[in-house]
Amino acid sequence: EDQVTQSPEALRLQEGESSSLNCSYTVSGLRGLFWYRQDPGKGPEFLFTLYSAGEEKEKERLKATLTKKESFLHITAPKPEDSATYLCAVQAGDSWGKLQFGAGTQVVVTP
Amino acid sequence: EAGVVQSPRYKIIEKKQPVAFWCNPISGHNTLYWYRQNLGQGPELLIRYENEEAVDDSQLPKDRFSAERLKGVDSTLKIQPAELGDSAVYLCASSPSGATDTQYFGPGTRLTVL
Repeated sequence: EDQVTQSPEALRLQEGESSSLNCSYTVSGLRGLFWYRQDPGKGPEFLFTLYSAGEEKEKERLKATLTKKESFLHITAPKPEDSATYLCAVQAGDSWGKLQFGAGTQVVVTP
Repeated sequence: EAGVVQSPRYKIIEKKQPVAFWCNPISGHNTLYWYRQNLGQGPELLIRYENEEAVDDSQLPKDRFSAERLKGVDSTLKIQPAELGDSAVYLCASSPSGATDTQYFGPGTRLTVL
């Protein structure tokens, strides 16, 4: 059975304090790994898609990386506006169109 | 470009009452998804449409949930009768075509069943 586990569940950072979020997955034939950001009361907002081990993508202060077993979302010098829940999802080869989400990591960045 | 539109944004009902959610996907997106998100959890897929056809409804509780996508554009998700455990956020997402495309989510409808 496909599984996605995110850690930590919650993370509190000082502004400027870099950190990483982890997404571990077990899936039969990874088609893609997706990172979304979700603000309270809103739907998930797409950030990145990673397709193969070794791939990296960056957007402003965020950088996503992928290995065969896990993905990391690095937040460099975060600002309070980076506070959100970050969701990781995988799409498996035999689950056409279905995203399997983790429970998310809630990030709070204080000034 | 307008995003995925959902209504209502909030709904409070008594148990055993019916409820319906509406979704208008991004223009030109052929694939439409309904997800349910419980508090503190990630979204879980309920049903996926390719144009008018429901191609994956394996996770939809068919005894009380139904969905339709007439003319391959807007979609409606219905619950009848609602149970206490149905309280959640119901999210609609769309993608251009094909299962590997990025899914774009709407703001969701927060359902509270009393």
